[in-house]
Amino acid sequence: DGGITQSPKYLFRKEGQNVTLSCEQNLNHDAMYWYRQDPGQGLRLIYYSQIVNDFQKGDIAEGYSVSREKKESFPLTVTSAQKNPTAFYLCASSIGIGSGNQPQHFGDGTRLSIL
Amino acid sequence: GENVEQHPSTLSVQEGDSAVIKCTYSDSASNYFPWYKQELGKRPQLIIDIRSNVGEKKDQRIAVTLNKTAKHFSLHITETQPEDSAVYFCAAISRSSASKIIFGSGTRLSIRP
Repeated sequence: DGGITQSPKYLFRKEGQNVTLSCEQNLNHDAMYWYRQDPGQGLRLIYYSQIVNDFQKGDIAEGYSVSREKKESFPLTVTSAQKNPTAFYLCASSIGIGSGNQPQHFGDGTRLSIL
Repeated sequence: GENVEQHPSTLSVQEGDSAVIKCTYSDSASNYFPWYKQELGKRPQLIIDIRSNVGEKKDQRIAVTLNKTAKHFSLHITETQPEDSAVYFCAAISRSSASKIIFGSGTRLSIRP
């Protein structure tokens, strides 16, 4: 979907380094999500946010952190505590609660690898 | 907790034949069921969805059926074409989950020429 922009497309992390993945949306969606996808696997929820200045842990939050200071932005930091960060990271957004259940729309993803 | 099971994990069909992917969900409060198609290295894209007040929905060669009593829903692709080859994910959203979506584990569909 053109309304969700993830950057960079490829990212390399050195040992002990924190890296931040960007996700911006211009769809005026309240809810935003981060997923991790390993090769040949499904989508695992890392964090999600239903509204500005609020976010919730997903199923695999350890080693990751997020912030939601603006409605359109939901950056994900992969910390040095995440020992196996190599994966495809997908950001998504949806209209949010209060509007009935609506589908999530995904960005193009960021592929993170360890140097 | 909430769970969505998806079968089969891989599916190979002859071009022109039909493909069926099945999912079951555990949360009886689930009321919205989207299906996503993900091509290799790309984003998942919504292809069809169904709400709990409807039993079947069709869009050209794609259809989805929902059985609320049995808590299962299925994706049907007819007259399959090579471009249908991809990974397909089912999902369920519950009224009680506050917009959190539960995905199935995915089905890798291959279309044989």
